[in-house]
Amino acid sequence: EPEVTQTPSHQVTQMGQEVILRCVPISNHLYFYWYRQILGQKVEFLVSFYNNEISEKSEIFDDQFSVERPDGSNFTLKIRSTKLEDSAMYFCASSAAPLGSGNTIYFGEGSWLTVV
Amino acid sequence: RKEVEQDPGPFNVPEGATVAFNCTYSNSASQSFFWYRQDCRKEPKLLMSVYSSGNEDGRFTAQLNRASQYISLLIRDSKLSDSATYLCVVKTRVGGANNLFFGTGTRLTVIP
Repeated sequence: EPEVTQTPSHQVTQMGQEVILRCVPISNHLYFYWYRQILGQKVEFLVSFYNNEISEKSEIFDDQFSVERPDGSNFTLKIRSTKLEDSAMYFCASSAAPLGSGNTIYFGEGSWLTVV
Repeated sequence: RKEVEQDPGPFNVPEGATVAFNCTYSNSASQSFFWYRQDCRKEPKLLMSVYSSGNEDGRFTAQLNRASQYISLLIRDSKLSDSATYLCVVKTRVGGANNLFFGTGTRLTVIP
């Protein structure tokens, strides 16, 4: 079964440092997403990406966040200057078609970020 | 008001029991509804979509009541492997785009 892969699985970083989380979406998927889940809380939407640009972003996705598709396979989330409250599990996801259709969204296993 | 609300549990049930989870959503224009399963520190995985007429997949039955904005999941003959957090997820169009809104999840532990 095709899957979304994410690296690293776990990263510990000091407050103020930059972090890049990497994702390889399913190969024939065109729509990419980042979600996050703070420990004990709900999964929250961060951003969606299509055709090399952001299609939608939430209030959480402020100027410290950016996304990029640097090549044909990777999709990255950069956090420029991490804060303690950025500690969370970050899930990448992809889908073959936009969420408006009856399409399934597939999640990666997540990258657990701990800011100290 | 939260987009999606669920009883957080935990529900502790013996093997073989039947257990039901409930969920309410706030936006009457929400279009699609799902139950996801999430194991501890793992990604959410789609368990089943929820259709207006109700639907069943083996031991799992999902119901939707659009008038009451209420979704349910029934698990019959619980197995130890059913222990997980069950997430109610709603797809809603907000600001011109469709997004998924997650509940906080209901934690289930099936006891031998």
